[in-house]
Amino acid sequence: QVQLVESGGGVVQPGGSLRLSCAASGFTFSSYGMHWVRQAPGKGLEWVAFIRYDGSNKYYADSVKGRFTISRDNSKNTLYLQMNSLRAEDTAVYYCAKSYCGGDCYTYLDYWGQGTLVTVSS
Amino acid sequence: SYVLTQPPSVSVAPGQTARITCGGNNIGSKSVHWYQQKPGQAPVLVVYDDSDRPSGIPERFSGSNSGNTATLTISRVEAGDEADYYCQVWDSNSDHYVFGTGTKVTVL
Repeated sequence: QVQLVESGGGVVQPGGSLRLSCAASGFTFSSYGMHWVRQAPGKGLEWVAFIRYDGSNKYYADSVKGRFTISRDNSKNTLYLQMNSLRAEDTAVYYCAKSYCGGDCYTYLDYWGQGTLVTVSS
Repeated sequence: SYVLTQPPSVSVAPGQTARITCGGNNIGSKSVHWYQQKPGQAPVLVVYDDSDRPSGIPERFSGSNSGNTATLTISRVEAGDEADYYCQVWDSNSDHYVFGTGTKVTVL
């Protein structure tokens, strides 16, 4: 069965950096696009970033573009999110999620991890 | 950027029908997907491509999409359907995935 397990969350000061990881299993990781989605406390879902199955295309929400970098290591079945210049408004639970497809299709997120909490505070 | 607007809350009695709308400019030209999120849990896909259901999702969940409004319908509502629901689309103009504002469904 598909499993996505996020790690790397924690407390970081404003302006600091953090790298999140998402370990994937139960499917051919290298064949599917992957996402990061976040949810601030008591708020709705906000899409953060997407990476194509082969890493050739990456898309970012305007709120994180230039500060966050999505990447993947298909040999390790792992998705990453490098977060720099963190702000208080980046405080959220960060979910990794699998795209239904891998190539040039942009559709729904069919499996989600349980999330990791990032708190940006001094 | 593309905006999806949902009502903040919908209340429904058990056994009745809940309808959750998702409004967006010409949303009928896009594929709409719906997620259910219960407190403290990750979202779960309940409807994809406007009206299809993943395996394991009850037939009580259905969807439609036309014009400027997509709708998730939950028939014969049960207490276990109490959750937040989000619509989602891909906006090709901005290369962004977009989630709706979310709707809290309360079962009376």
